[in-house]
This record gives sequence, structure tokens and C-alpha cells, in this order.
Amino acid sequence: GAVVSQHPSWVICKSGTSVKIECRSLDFQATTMFWYRQFPKQSLMLMATSNEGSKATYEQGVEKDKFLINHASLTLSTLTVTSAHPEDSSFYICSAEGQGSSYFGPGTRLTVT
Amino acid sequence: TQLLEQSPQFLSIQEGENLTVYCNSSSVFSSLQWYRQEPGEGPVLLVTVVTGGEVKKLKRLTFQFGDARKDSSLHITAAQPGDTGLYLCSHGGGTSYGKLTFGQGTILTVHP
Repeated sequence: GAVVSQHPSWVICKSGTSVKIECRSLDFQATTMFWYRQFPKQSLMLMATSNEGSKATYEQGVEKDKFLINHASLTLSTLTVTSAHPEDSSFYICSAEGQGSSYFGPGTRLTVT
Repeated sequence: TQLLEQSPQFLSIQEGENLTVYCNSSSVFSSLQWYRQEPGEGPVLLVTVVTGGEVKKLKRLTFQFGDARKDSSLHITAAQPGDTGLYLCSHGGGTSYGKLTFGQGTILTVHP
């Protein structure tokens, strides 16, 4: 089956630093990937659509300069949280389109201290 | 944005009880999906419903798509502690089927 991985699975960083999260499609190519954010006991909210070889499309209210997305290959998208603050602490989940469906990664828990 | 209203938000029941979760909207959808998510993990697709009036069964879970394709329900029979989790309904973004909008979710806790 189609597998999507994320790295790291959890990360703790200090306020003001930047953190990069990777999303990989392991056994299929994904021209489109998506990044979601989930706060405790809440649903998933779409942040942005990551397109291979072109700029990401951000949802309303998501700061593109704060959440940098790069989709440099058909199997890898990265989300960089720049100048992280405690309010950016959340569960970040990616999904990848492929094989007629979309598949979610296991998520990355970010804690900003 | 086509909103999905999911209810109830929280459900705490005893093992063996039955339950139903609802996903409603004023919009018509070509399909709806149901996911289950455990803490610290990504959501896992349970089912996709595409035909109005459709009923799909997955062991003790029964999914129904409304005749008008505006709503869906998830019914669990004889719930077990292993059913505990966050249940989410969602719909896709047209040609970009991976671009999903989720309902608020239902946190289900099944006590032994």
C-alpha cells in the first residue's frame, strides 16, 4: 500500500528558532502534497497545498513567510516553521496525492518552548 | 467553503453500547469520507461514500450517505474500548481529491 512518512515524529525547539519537517511518499510519486495543522482535541485544518516544482498555495490566514514550503521532488515536501513561537506548537500532518487517493503521514508533534 | 457540522463533539460510553455520529451540511457533495485518528498518529481512512442513500459496512461500523448527498452518519454497534479515538468526516476539493475539509470531529471514549 501507499506509505507516507514524516520526519521527525516529534521535535522541541526554542522560541525564535526554525524547524524543518519532512514529508515523503515512500512508494509512489506525489506531485501534490498537503500540510495540515491540528491543535489538541480539535480537527485538522488545511494550511497549504504543496505542488512539485512550483510555489505552494496557502489557505486564508496562513502566513506564507512563516510557514515555508518546498516541494523539490516528486517524493518530498518540506515545511519549515520560521521564528517559531509557543503558539506554533501543534501537530503537523501531511498527506500526499497518488494512486487515485490521498494518504496521510503519521504527523509531527512540534513543541516550542 | 463548504462546512461540515459534526455531532456530537464528545461521546463517552460503556463497552457494548451503540452509538451514532452525524455529519451534516447544507451543501451537496460528490463524496464524503470518514476517518479515525488515534492520539499522536495521522488519520486513517475508514470509508468513502459516493452514492446518495448508500450504506457501507465495515465490521461493526455502518456508514450511510444521505439521499440528497448532504449528510452522512457513522453507527457503531456494540462499541469496544479499541474503538476509542477521534472520528472525522471530510469532503474533498473537487479535482484535487486530497485537499480535504474536515468536520470538527467526534472524540469517542469507550470505557471497559
